[in-house]
Amino acid sequence: DVKVTQSSRYLVKRTGEKVFLECVQDMDHENMFWYRQDPGLGLRLIYFSYDVKMKEKGDIPEGYSVSREKKERFSLILESASTNQTSMYLCASSTRAGGPIVINEQFFGPGTRLTVL
Amino acid sequence: DQQVKQNSPSLSVQEGRISILNCDYTNSMFDYFLWYKKYPAEGPTFLISISSIKDKNEDGRFTVFLNKSAKHLSLHIVPSQPGDSAVYFCAASAGDSNYQLIWGAGTKLIIKP
Repeated sequence: DVKVTQSSRYLVKRTGEKVFLECVQDMDHENMFWYRQDPGLGLRLIYFSYDVKMKEKGDIPEGYSVSREKKERFSLILESASTNQTSMYLCASSTRAGGPIVINEQFFGPGTRLTVL
Repeated sequence: DQQVKQNSPSLSVQEGRISILNCDYTNSMFDYFLWYKKYPAEGPTFLISISSIKDKNEDGRFTVFLNKSAKHLSLHIVPSQPGDSAVYFCAASAGDSNYQLIWGAGTKLIIKP
């Protein structure tokens, strides 16, 4: 059973604080993703990583950075939290498509509800 | 520019009836489509998918239909059950993208008893 875990379910931070969101997957997946979900906007990709130490910007990378030092762990960092970063943050992982794998179905963690005051 | 659109933010259906959720896309390079279901305070979970070489895929109460010429897909749930109340996301992938899924905004389905 694929498991993606996120370090916190709920987090409250103050404006200007540095925030770390951790994500761990146990399926040896190559790809990992960070999304934010806001009502009416669906899932918007912040960053993704297709290998250790590799990262690619998604649609909304501004104000965020990421770190992937180990294959199973992908961290999202808010350098200086702002109120407009209040959101649900979702981490996902997928294996690399190829061979019998037709498509890289993404497996999600439970999400972190971040509130920035 | 939204490449995947779910134009209905919400849908209310009587228990036992059919629920039809719609999704439109603009990119003709998309060749695989997925539906995910999301409950509040949980991550999305995969529901059903369809390849562009097919026009229908069925899994129990869930059927996805793909109309490539119209760039439209729909998810049918028959019969609808209270546990189906959730937000449903449509996502698409292009063959040359090994990583990314492009997501719709979601449709909140409410099943009325």
